[in-house]
Amino acid sequence: DAGVIQSPRHEVTEMGQEVTLRCKPISGHDYLFWYRQTMMRGLELLIYFNNNVPIDDSGMPEDRFSAKMPNASFSTLKIQPSEPRDSAVYFCASSLEEEYNEQFFGPGTRLTVL
Amino acid sequence: TQLLEQSPQFLSIQEGENLTVYCNSSSVFSSLQWYRQEPGEGPVLLVTVVTGGEVKKLKRLTFQFGDARKDSSLHITAAQPGDTGLYLCAGDVDNYGQNFVFGPGTRLSVLP
Repeated sequence: DAGVIQSPRHEVTEMGQEVTLRCKPISGHDYLFWYRQTMMRGLELLIYFNNNVPIDDSGMPEDRFSAKMPNASFSTLKIQPSEPRDSAVYFCASSLEEEYNEQFFGPGTRLTVL
Repeated sequence: TQLLEQSPQFLSIQEGENLTVYCNSSSVFSSLQWYRQEPGEGPVLLVTVVTGGEVKKLKRLTFQFGDARKDSSLHITAAQPGDTGLYLCAGDVDNYGQNFVFGPGTRLSVLP
């Protein structure tokens, strides 16, 4: 079975440009999570969805970040405008709605903002 | 804010040695998870512990949840190069088993 799919795997852009990261969760999973990982701050939860509805977006750094989940098989994380401090690896993860869920992580998107 | 601390931050050992890494918090968690992350990949779940004092074993890995459910340890016996990676602990934020806060991780390197 395919795991969580993320695209692109690598993105290099210039400051001020719009960046869109994409995620396809595992089929049948009820939850989708977006994380950001940096050496300084570790793995941080940005936002998570349950059945396509955003539940907690308190981790989204600022208004430049937005996330959508138009259907059960697709989600996007958009940064507009991007800044150098947004450079990080962004992970998408999905899980079933069960107690003590296991989150299945995608391979990540490495974003570099110049 | 529930924060997790992990120690040591870095650990480099020879193949065959034993090691223990720690995950500590001032907060009580209803459950705690350990993940391993290899370079260029996402974290992969190793274990979930839910009961204070619980011990779980996964081959050469032994996980323990503290009695007060504020801390946890991971012990590896006879480490192998394949154990190399970033070990992350994650505590359940809202007690529903869905939203976890991650520690900064212990980066383990096992040299052949």
